[in-house]
Amino acid sequence: QVTLRESGPALVKPTQTLTLTCTFSGFSLTTTEMCVSWIRQPPGKALEWLARIDWDEDKFYSKFLRTRLTISKDTSKNQVVLTLTNVDPGDTATYYCARTSLATAGPNMDVWGSGTTVIVSS
Amino acid sequence: SDVLTQPPSVSVAPGQTARIPCEGKRIGIKTVQWYQQKPGQAPVEVISYDSDRPSGIPQRFSGSTSGNTATLTISRVEAGDEADYYCQIWDSDSDHLVVFGGGTKLTVL
Repeated sequence: QVTLRESGPALVKPTQTLTLTCTFSGFSLTTTEMCVSWIRQPPGKALEWLARIDWDEDKFYSKFLRTRLTISKDTSKNQVVLTLTNVDPGDTATYYCARTSLATAGPNMDVWGSGTTVIVSS
Repeated sequence: SDVLTQPPSVSVAPGQTARIPCEGKRIGIKTVQWYQQKPGQAPVEVISYDSDRPSGIPQRFSGSTSGNTATLTISRVEAGDEADYYCQIWDSDSDHLVVFGGGTKLTVL
């Protein structure tokens, strides 16, 4: 059974760096064509994709946020970490991680974590 | 264009068929995924690669594409289908790589 769980601070102050951890089980990021993505959803708004890290260390970022985002993995711990620098209230959202598998037809975010809510406020 | 356009809302009576469109210039070139999100819950994939149904998703859910429009069809709608539905594409030729539609609120009357 594939599961993912996001963790991190519930409240961060403006200008601080937000660090989120995705801990997963049921698959391995050492397996070819396996990846993990991060997606966020501001309150009452649509989903927004943030980043993806692949089994081979390839990394992809949202065009809008790539200067502020860093994604990394620790395969020994089955974890993926996302950092977002210089946060502001616009970064308030529920943050999700999702298993992403690659196929000939393209990537597929097939299993999602339950999300962690982050509020940016002084 | 990187935009996927969905109607904000669709309403349907129980037992009827709901159709949720998603329009975008890259549809038909790139495959479409659909996600269901109930209030307070994480999204759940209901359709992958335009029309594949993941394990555990009822056969009442189907996906199709025609031209620049993808459609999620839910047959014999039930009260439990009331949710927000999002379409999504991966576009390696786009600056944005991943695009989500704005979401459609399905209301079961």
